[in-house]
Amino acid sequence: DVKVTQSSRYLVKRTGEKVFLECVQDMDHENMFWYRQDPGLGLRLIYFSYDVKMKEKGDIPEGYSVSREKKERFSLILESASTNQTSMYLCASTHRSYGRRNQPQHFGDGTRLSIL
Amino acid sequence: GNSVTQMEGPVTLSEEAFLTINCTYTATGYPSLFWYVQYPGEGLQLLLKATKADDKGSNKGFEATYRKETTSFHLEKGSVQVSDSAVYFCALSGNIIQGAQKLVFGQGTRLTINP
Repeated sequence: DVKVTQSSRYLVKRTGEKVFLECVQDMDHENMFWYRQDPGLGLRLIYFSYDVKMKEKGDIPEGYSVSREKKERFSLILESASTNQTSMYLCASTHRSYGRRNQPQHFGDGTRLSIL
Repeated sequence: GNSVTQMEGPVTLSEEAFLTINCTYTATGYPSLFWYVQYPGEGLQLLLKATKADDKGSNKGFEATYRKETTSFHLEKGSVQVSDSAVYFCALSGNIIQGAQKLVFGQGTRLTINP
């Protein structure tokens, strides 16, 4: 089974702090994704990466950055945390798609982040 | 652009009731369609998928049929259990960028089953 592991289940930080969320997958997936989940809004894509050191902005990248130094690890960085970034953050991964749009994504258990 | 609309929740049913969660979509081309489930305190798990028109995905007693004519992918189960209480997300396969296929999610429907 695919295992996507997020380093923290719960995290509490203060406004203005630099926050790192870590995600590791063990299936040699090329693609990794970061989402935030808010009630009534579903999942919104923040950033994704299709290879080591390669990244693309998603739908809501403002206030976030990412890092992918190794294939199995994808980090989400809140440069200066703000209260409106309090949310559930989900990491996902999948193999490279070669034109067929049928790849499901495999998710971690999420990190519930509170910014005080 | 691509989008997914789910019926608003929360939905509350009694055990053994029939379940339908509506999902409609807007998309260009021929997307694949997915249902994900999120149990309390967990991430999303793939429940079922369908990759072309008239395909029926099924798993754990849940079913959904890809209806291109009505652009729908409604989730159904004949007899729900308390253990089915979760949040359900409908999703479609979006654009592929550099080999990374994006997913477009609906807003989620919270389901509660009472004994």
